[in-house]
Amino acid sequence: AQSVTQLDSQVPVFEEAPVELRCNYSSSVSVYLFWYVQYPNQGLQLLLKYLSGSTLVESINGFEAEFNKSQTSFHLRKPSVHISDTAEYFCAVKDDGSNFGNEKLTFGTGTRLTIIP
Amino acid sequence: ETGVTQSPTHLIKTRGQQVTLRCSSQSGHNTVSWYQQALGQGPQFIFQYYREEENGRGNFPPRFSGLQFPNYSSELNVNALELDDSALYLCASRGEGYQETQYFGPGTRLLVL
Repeated sequence: AQSVTQLDSQVPVFEEAPVELRCNYSSSVSVYLFWYVQYPNQGLQLLLKYLSGSTLVESINGFEAEFNKSQTSFHLRKPSVHISDTAEYFCAVKDDGSNFGNEKLTFGTGTRLTIIP
Repeated sequence: ETGVTQSPTHLIKTRGQQVTLRCSSQSGHNTVSWYQQALGQGPQFIFQYYREEENGRGNFPPRFSGLQFPNYSSELNVNALELDDSALYLCASRGEGYQETQYFGPGTRLLVL
């Protein structure tokens, strides 16, 4: 069984300040890791993902996340946030694909990021 | 744009009724998964279909069922609706290859009264 813990349900941050959204996971098998973003009244959009290789992954809009296997973490960071980053952010894990057919994503409960002007 | 569409966008039903939600995936995406997202929660996996057969299921009762069609469309059917079924229902599709990412549709918001 897998689980994802997002320790902060809400994170308020001033515009142009840095932010870190925390994600820890538990799994008995190797995993892929994802961050999805959900804007109000919309579905989920993939922000970034870690499948293999470099443990630091980046998105096109300035977010980055680092996979830390020893700490089972995949924290999301951005050095300077913008008003448009206001959204709900979900961390998710799935099996690394060695068991083909199991596409189940296990999500955390989400972190609501609010940017303060 | 993920290329995944869902219909309807919103739906209101009463307890005990049945509902069918629809999803249209990208061409070539043979795997489709359905998720239920209750208010204030993360999405919960309902089940997935690969080439028209169910091949994975989460902790949902049998009154949640699905179909996948050769034209990359799929359905989620829920019988005997309960108040707790009120949620955003998301479908996600992916292509072949074990490193392919799932892409989500915008969801259908179901309210059961």
